[in-house]
Amino acid sequence: GAVVSQHPSRVICKSGTSVKIECRSLDFQATTMFWYRQFPKQSLMLMATSNEGSKATYEQGVEKDKFLINHASLTLSTLTVTSAHPEDSSFYICSAGSGGVSTDTQYFGPGTRLTVL
Amino acid sequence: DAKTTQPPSMDCAEGRAANLPCNHSTISGNEYVYWYRQIHSQGPQYIIHGLKNNETNEMVSLIITEDRKSSTLILPHATLRDTAVYYCIVSPAGGTSYGKLTFGQGTILTVHP
Repeated sequence: GAVVSQHPSRVICKSGTSVKIECRSLDFQATTMFWYRQFPKQSLMLMATSNEGSKATYEQGVEKDKFLINHASLTLSTLTVTSAHPEDSSFYICSAGSGGVSTDTQYFGPGTRLTVL
Repeated sequence: DAKTTQPPSMDCAEGRAANLPCNHSTISGNEYVYWYRQIHSQGPQYIIHGLKNNETNEMVSLIITEDRKSSTLILPHATLRDTAVYYCIVSPAGGTSYGKLTFGQGTILTVHP
């Protein structure tokens, strides 16, 4: 199957700093990428959908000015958590889809564990 | 999007078949049934998907009822490494929600020796 990578896999930062997470599709071009967040013992929650070259679409309740998403190429999307606070500590996961007229299978990255002190 | 209902947990003995049910009684005609699984502290892994016909790959089989209101994921010979949370998701094939996956709580499958 297709491979999606994330970097870093784990990050610890101080409150008030910004953290950037990269998501790359390694062997296919991803027209659409998705960002999810998962708190302990909970399911994945979709944060936003990004399409290459256009603005991301955020889910209700997700602050677009706090979670900046850039999808600059067909293989790279970045999520920047600005002015991170302890409540932003979570497992952030991206997924990438190749698009197409028929069903689109999404492939997920391994996730990034963010801890804000 | 249609919602799905799955049992919160299931147990299975190693080497035996694991049959994971999913109800999606409000599924619409253009929605596919997807199955993903998530092993602890990892990203979800795509398993299989289908529209109305049964599907099989090297790992599992997906049985979809004729009315498409439910499906069963079958792991024919479960191993300890199959212990994970299994998510059944229905997703539209087009429109503004294209590609969006809404994760429920899934089924925690525990395979024991």
